Amino acid sequence: DAGVIQSPRHEVTEMGQEVTLRCKPISGHDYLFWYRQTMMRGLELLIYFNNNVPIDDSGMPEDRFSAKMPNASFSTLKIQPSEPRDSAVYFCASSSTGYGYTFGSGTRLTVV
Amino acid sequence: RKEVEQDPGPFNVPEGATVAFNCTYSNSASQSFFWYRQDCRKEPKLLMSVYSSGNEDGRFTAQLNRASQYISLLIRDSKLSDSATYLCVVNVYNQGGKLIFGQGTELSVKP
Repeated sequence: DAGVIQSPRHEVTEMGQEVTLRCKPISGHDYLFWYRQTMMRGLELLIYFNNNVPIDDSGMPEDRFSAKMPNASFSTLKIQPSEPRDSAVYFCASSSTGYGYTFGSGTRLTVV
Repeated sequence: RKEVEQDPGPFNVPEGATVAFNCTYSNSASQSFFWYRQDCRKEPKLLMSVYSSGNEDGRFTAQLNRASQYISLLIRDSKLSDSATYLCVVNVYNQGGKLIFGQGTELSVKP
């Protein structure tokens, strides 16, 4: 298994631009999670899905952030418009029972 | 108050030393507990689960005290390769599959 695959690995964009982060979970996993990591706040859960349905999006910072999971093998996290304070590493993770996550390698986002 | 609290460190120890990390959690409904390891600029990876009776995996020993809402990780005979950030993680019973991560404790093992 290739593990959780995220793209792009790095993204540099200008303030105000739309950013789309992508994630392919491990086949057969029914949970998918989006996290953001910064030095100041550590790992924060943004949103998670169970069987493609959003369960808890209370961590999404504001309306500029949106996430979708159109099918079991793909999810996106979109930021529109992006701001410098969105600069962070964004991790996607999946699991089969809600325990023992497998993380992707992350997307390092820099908004200038 | 954060749901999971850890001493951020850094802990600087010589090779061969024994080092212990502590973690407290605030939600008494927490039901599953883990330690994750994160290397610099990499993703977190599961190190071990933590069971009520305590458990060991080689040089690593994890303990859980539900009454005190306290979790620990002991690393014996530390190696240079143990240098990383160690994340304390809990799952809360009524929050489905959601894991709550502590800020992490940084460990640096020196020759």
